[in-house]
Parts: sequence; C-alpha cells; structure tokens
Amino acid sequence: NAGVTQTPKFHILKIGQSMTLQCTQDMNHNYMYWYRQDPGMGLKLIYYSVGAGITDKGEVPNGYNVSRSTTEDFPLRLELAAPSQTSVYFCASSRLSGDGYTFGSGTRLTVV
Amino acid sequence: AQSVTQLDSHVSVSEGTPVLLRCNYSSSYSPSLFWYVQHPNKGLQLLLKYTSAATLVKGINGFEAEFKKSETSFHLTKPSAHMSDAAEYFCVVRPYNNNDMRFGAGTRLTVKP
Repeated sequence: NAGVTQTPKFHILKIGQSMTLQCTQDMNHNYMYWYRQDPGMGLKLIYYSVGAGITDKGEVPNGYNVSRSTTEDFPLRLELAAPSQTSVYFCASSRLSGDGYTFGSGTRLTVV
Repeated sequence: AQSVTQLDSHVSVSEGTPVLLRCNYSSSYSPSLFWYVQHPNKGLQLLLKYTSAATLVKGINGFEAEFKKSETSFHLTKPSAHMSDAAEYFCVVRPYNNNDMRFGAGTRLTVKP
C-alpha cells in the first residue's frame, strides 16, 4: 500500500525556472493538500482540493498553481522560482475533511 | 482566527521518564485537534486526534492527550519515553467545518539514554 507518493525527493532549481512537484495517492481520498515546511515555522497550507476539478487557495498560495484532473493526482506548479520558495514541500490526503491526514515523504526544493 | 502555540521548541528527557509536550490553541468554534510526529527526513504521521468525543484521547505508541476547554490546551503525554520517540512533534488545530488546518511550530523531543 503506497499511500501518498511524492516525486522528486530532492531538486535544485535556478531562479526564474519552473517545475512541477508530483503527488499521487492510491487511497481514493477526496481531499488533497499541499504544504510547505520551513525551519521553526511548522507547516503552511499552499493549496488544497476537495475533489477532482475543485481547488482552493490556502494560507500561502502566491507563486504556486495546482490542478486536480483526477482523484489520484494533485501536482503543484512553481512558476518563475524564487529563493523564497526554497523549502520542504509535503503533499497530504484525507478521505473526509475532518480526518487526520496521510502525508507523503516530502520534496526538498532548493532555489539558487 | 484559529492558531496553535507549542510552548516549548525543544524538550529533553531521559529514557524511561515521562514526556509532556505542551500545546495551547485558539479557535472561534469547536475545534478538532491533532498531534503529528515527524521523524528525521520523513513525512508526518498522525499520532492522535480529538473531535469532541472523549476529552482524553489515546493514540499510537503509548501517547495520549487531554483536551481541556477551560485552559484551551491539548498537551501530549507519554508515561515512559523510548529512544525511538526522539522526533519533531506538531500540534494542529482545525476549526469546525473548515479545511484550513493550522500547525504549531513544532517541538523537538530528545531522549537521552
């Protein structure tokens, strides 16, 4: 049982470049989330989705975009990467909105 | 607005002694509360959650937490620490009927032999 799978695990991006962080889950969960984790700051919600075709902004959406064309996949797009986007990114999912989340193992992104 | 404050950024205990990780929350509505654990270079794992049922919640690995509305607290405890408990712990609040979970800054637990 894979759970939530994130790729890549590590990536170095140059300023101004774009990339997509992949997230897929095999639990048929309706809800999916993207968080970023910065040292000493806890996790902050970037975007979330309550089902295929529906997405909404979280606390820190600027500089990111998402799409949810299928229940399984929830990719996070970074356009025009900036050093401030250096962080560890976590994707998570839940069956219901009040459930605890299942997290992926994270993507460590460095923008130089 | 909802928020959560973890009162200690770092807690150090000896193996076999009790663990107390403190969390206070603020929320306009009846919240759901969670504790997650993150081992080094790993994703977060759910330890336990409170959703307005019993105020004492039992989780995995011998951890438990007590919801105290009068004190707006949700402290995490364990009677006897193991070396494998060394990790970062996050307290999380979710207001009623809201998808915006708010994470605390985390408490790093060190367990000494």
